[in-house]
Amino acid sequence: QVQLVESGGGVVQPGRSLRLSCAASGFSFSTYAMHWVRQTPGRGLEWVAVISYDGVHKFVADSVKGRFTISRDNSRNTLSLQMNSLRTEDTAIYYCSGGKGFDYWGQGTRVTVSS
Amino acid sequence: EIVMTQTPLSSPVTLGQPASISCRSSQSLVHSDGNTYLSWLQQRPGQPPRLLIYKISDRVSGVPDRFSGSGAGTYFTLKISRVEAEDVGVYYCMQATQIPRTFGQGTRLEIK
Repeated sequence: QVQLVESGGGVVQPGRSLRLSCAASGFSFSTYAMHWVRQTPGRGLEWVAVISYDGVHKFVADSVKGRFTISRDNSRNTLSLQMNSLRTEDTAIYYCSGGKGFDYWGQGTRVTVSS
Repeated sequence: EIVMTQTPLSSPVTLGQPASISCRSSQSLVHSDGNTYLSWLQQRPGQPPRLLIYKISDRVSGVPDRFSGSGAGTYFTLKISRVEAEDVGVYYCMQATQIPRTFGQGTRLEIK
């Protein structure tokens, strides 16, 4: 069955970096665009970034532009999110999602940015 | 960016009764390819979001037919014909017509 498993979350100080990963299985990962979406109690669901099926096209939200980078390795069925210069407002649960639209979702990984 | 506005934000419903959630977008969601990429997602307590409906009214495989979507342009509706206990959670509309993708604030469905 389809599985998306995020990892890499944790507690980090403002200004530091963190790298999230998402391991995909059970579907044709290399044929679908993939997204990162985050969720906070105050701001609800917020789309963060998307990468095309072949990794050529990437877009990120204005709130993370210049700080976050999305990438993928189709040979390993893995999606990544490199998060630099983290801010307290980046604190959230981060989900990877993909499929034809947002068919598939992982369970999420929690990121806490705090001094 | 396209702003998605849901109403109501909370909906207490009696089991077996219908429920309806509205979603309005700040601009038309009709894509240049002719499709309207409006989706509905359900998030049960403690779970990640789950896609229920895409392109206004297409149900994802396995989603009960008591869930239906309708609308056009900038106004959309999710209807549950007869609410069951497992339907409790938060429902979000989402547009995938433009980048950035944007979500509504969420509507909490609870049982009276």
